[in-house]
Amino acid sequence: GENVEQHPSTLSVQEGDSAVIKCTYSDSASNYFPWYKQELGKRPQLIIDIRSNVGEKKDQRIAVTLNKTAKHFSLHITETQPEDSAVYFCAGFVNNAGNMLTFGGGTRLMVKP
Amino acid sequence: EAGVAQSPRYKIIEKRQSVAFWCNPISGHATLYWYQQILGQGPKLLIQFQNNGVVDDSQLPKDRFSAERLKGVDSTLKIQPAKLEDSAVYLCASSPGARANEKLFFGSGTQLSVL
Repeated sequence: GENVEQHPSTLSVQEGDSAVIKCTYSDSASNYFPWYKQELGKRPQLIIDIRSNVGEKKDQRIAVTLNKTAKHFSLHITETQPEDSAVYFCAGFVNNAGNMLTFGGGTRLMVKP
Repeated sequence: EAGVAQSPRYKIIEKRQSVAFWCNPISGHATLYWYQQILGQGPKLLIQFQNNGVVDDSQLPKDRFSAERLKGVDSTLKIQPAKLEDSAVYLCASSPGARANEKLFFGSGTQLSVL
């Protein structure tokens, strides 16, 4: 089945700096890659996703890039703000009989004011 | 729009006891998911329903975990008997379509502590 690994597990940046979180996946048939943000004690919420037919997607300060050849995708947050502090999870979806979304282990992002 | 509702919010039990969690998905959502999130890890899918049928339960420990989704709406997840390693947050999620390659709407979760 699909295996998704996420790095780093913790990331500390200064307010205003950029943050990058990287995920690798194992199944080359994966075709959908969402990113979820989970604030302390709250539910995960989708912040951005990308499908395998595009290489990059942006939404204001957030962008995701996908490299299908290398089987990795990354979340980029620019001009970080304290409210960006949270745990971020990447995930991969393989369109096969399993029909399962597999999550990475998470990255705790801390933005210091 | 009402979100995914889960109860209870917290549950503390002793090992070997039984426990049940309840989930009410967003109205009209066809697919319902139960995830287990152990502290410091990503959510792990336990079972996925489409309407009232099971799509995937390959990671559900069937010797102790069971789940049902009656009438294709509400769902319950049961653990009997519980083990210490079952301590986790149990997240329910729903999505409008039939597959997981779309936005999932998560509930607030039930935090289970097994002593």
